[in-house]
Amino acid sequence: DSGVTQTPKHLITATGQRVTLRCSPRSGDLSVYWYQQSLDQGLQFLIQYYNGEERAKGNILERFSAQQFPDLHSELNLSSLELGDSALYFCASSGLASSYEQYFGPGTRLTVT
Amino acid sequence: DAKTTQPPSMDCAEGRAANLPCNHSTISGNEYVYWYRQIHSQGPQYIIHGLKNNETNEMASLIITEDRKSSTLILPHATLRDTAVYYCIVRVGNQFYFGTGTSLTVIP
Repeated sequence: DSGVTQTPKHLITATGQRVTLRCSPRSGDLSVYWYQQSLDQGLQFLIQYYNGEERAKGNILERFSAQQFPDLHSELNLSSLELGDSALYFCASSGLASSYEQYFGPGTRLTVT
Repeated sequence: DAKTTQPPSMDCAEGRAANLPCNHSTISGNEYVYWYRQIHSQGPQYIIHGLKNNETNEMASLIITEDRKSSTLILPHATLRDTAVYYCIVRVGNQFYFGTGTSLTVIP
């Protein structure tokens, strides 16, 4: 158990819909990272937040957005969903903005039908 | 975007050392090499990282070539629980660039 929690575990929704994935980092960690893992693209970094501020951006689509709240939990919002958005979404946390070790949560499996 | 190249799969006999190679020929001088592993579809787990010196911890050893263009992760005594996908990663700033990984199967 990494100490990072993600909800929900599974999500099934239809194309065109919008969903919100939630992540609670390890106690005391200020940095949250979001990753997408699909069969054809592997693990892709999406975005990082540090203490409420966006710190780094990866291959995140404009239809996707994220935020980190004052209690440090984070949400990833996915809108206008397409079949290709079906994937595992992982959240990771670390203590510092550029810590060498990221602790990954169990992931949310999103299925778009 | 991939900055690392790994063999897609490897087998290793239980109790023997597993040596997982990684090529990162375009790595820059200040970019670290990290190794993570992923068991089934669980969240990836940190193993080890290094810049230019060899590193060892309780899980594994990391050998980085002098020119830093490649590295090898060594699991000294592989067990069945080490069966997983192993990712060699180059960290650029705050971003981890995961490659396609090596699927390691430990055989009894």
